[in-house]
Amino acid sequence: DAGVTQSPTHLIKTRGQQVTLRCSPKSGHDTVSWYQQALGQGPQFIFQYYEEEERQRGNFPDRFSGHQFPNYSSELNVNALLLGDSALYLCASSLVGWQGGHEQFFGPGTRLTVL
Amino acid sequence: GDSVTQMEGPVTLSEEAFLTINCTYTATGYPSLFWYVQYPGEGLQLLLKATKADDKGSNKGFEATYRKETTSFHLEKGSVQVSDSAVYFCALSDNFNKFYFGSGTKLNVKP
Repeated sequence: DAGVTQSPTHLIKTRGQQVTLRCSPKSGHDTVSWYQQALGQGPQFIFQYYEEEERQRGNFPDRFSGHQFPNYSSELNVNALLLGDSALYLCASSLVGWQGGHEQFFGPGTRLTVL
Repeated sequence: GDSVTQMEGPVTLSEEAFLTINCTYTATGYPSLFWYVQYPGEGLQLLLKATKADDKGSNKGFEATYRKETTSFHLEKGSVQVSDSAVYFCALSDNFNKFYFGSGTKLNVKP
């Protein structure tokens, strides 16, 4: 049973560019959440997708957007990249997004470096 | 808003020592509580969880008890091993499965 997968593993971009990160959830999971983890910090919640809609959003600007496809996979898009967007981006999947207490399974992350 | 505060690291212990990593939370509803572990170069792995007050989560010798009266979820292990060296994150999820993480505590275990 494949767990959560993310692509690419590493990415280098320059300021002002746009980036798309991809995530495939664990088999059977219907909810995908995205997190930003700066070096030495805990993950910060960006947003959550369920039934192809953004259900919850953290304190991130509109430059951060996403999408969920019918097969539950998801994309995270970041426009107009800033140096401060350099971080590890983690995708997590879970089952039945609206009920608390369900653990989230994390992917290995995508390391984004903005130069 | 909801938040998690955990003790700063790094924590350095000798093998077979007792481990405690403190975690307290602030929540408006009835959160579930989690400990995740992150080994170097890897994603987060669930270590244990508790979904209601007085529940005790346990796994691989680690334990944590959901204490509503003190809003705490401290992680303990009676005898740590070198292989336990990692970064440990305390987290809570609200009623909508939105997760809030602490800043992490790095544990170094020396032989």
